[in-house]
Amino acid sequence: GAVVSQHPSRVICKSGTSVKIECRSLDFQATTMFWYRQFPKQSLMLMATSNEGSKATYEQGVEKDKFLINHASLTLSTLTVTSAHPEDSSFYICSARDVPGQGREQYFGPGTRLTVT
Amino acid sequence: AQKVTQAQTEISVVEKEDVTLDCVYETRDTTYYLFWYKQPPSGELVFLIRRNSFDEQNEISGRYSWNFQKSTSSFNFTITASQVVDSAVYFCALYGYNKLIFGAGTRLAVHP
Repeated sequence: GAVVSQHPSRVICKSGTSVKIECRSLDFQATTMFWYRQFPKQSLMLMATSNEGSKATYEQGVEKDKFLINHASLTLSTLTVTSAHPEDSSFYICSARDVPGQGREQYFGPGTRLTVT
Repeated sequence: AQKVTQAQTEISVVEKEDVTLDCVYETRDTTYYLFWYKQPPSGELVFLIRRNSFDEQNEISGRYSWNFQKSTSSFNFTITASQVVDSAVYFCALYGYNKLIFGAGTRLAVHP
């Protein structure tokens, strides 16, 4: 089956620093990747959608200058949380889709737990 | 606008009981897809099922079954003879207008 990896799985950083999270599709080419954020005991909220080689489309209320998304290749997308603050502490999950088209299954990564101290 | 409602926040059952998790959705899209995911304590989402809006057939997979009814905009999930390993958060999700949105989730606790 299609596998999506994320690195790191956990990261602790100090307030004001930036942290980069990688999302890789290991055995397929991801035309589209998605980034979600999940606060404790809450649902997954879509942050942005990115297509390879294009700028990401951010959901309403998500600061594009704070959450930088790069989808430079068909197997790699990165999310950089710039100038992180404690309120950015969350579980970040990426997902990837191999072919375009509605309703195609999205393959989810294992998530990255970010703690900002 | 699209919306997924999982009214049951938490359910607690004893092992071997049957349990049904409710999911009600709203969309104006005529073509859409519904999903169920399991999220164990590890956090990694586990895909359970996908249905498209044109396929109202119910599905059974082992102890799991799903009931899709367009007339009531519901896509309910039943676990038969629940087991402790079924303890997790279950999310219903709707794909439409190029987005996959999730319900709030139902936390299922199965006790021995």
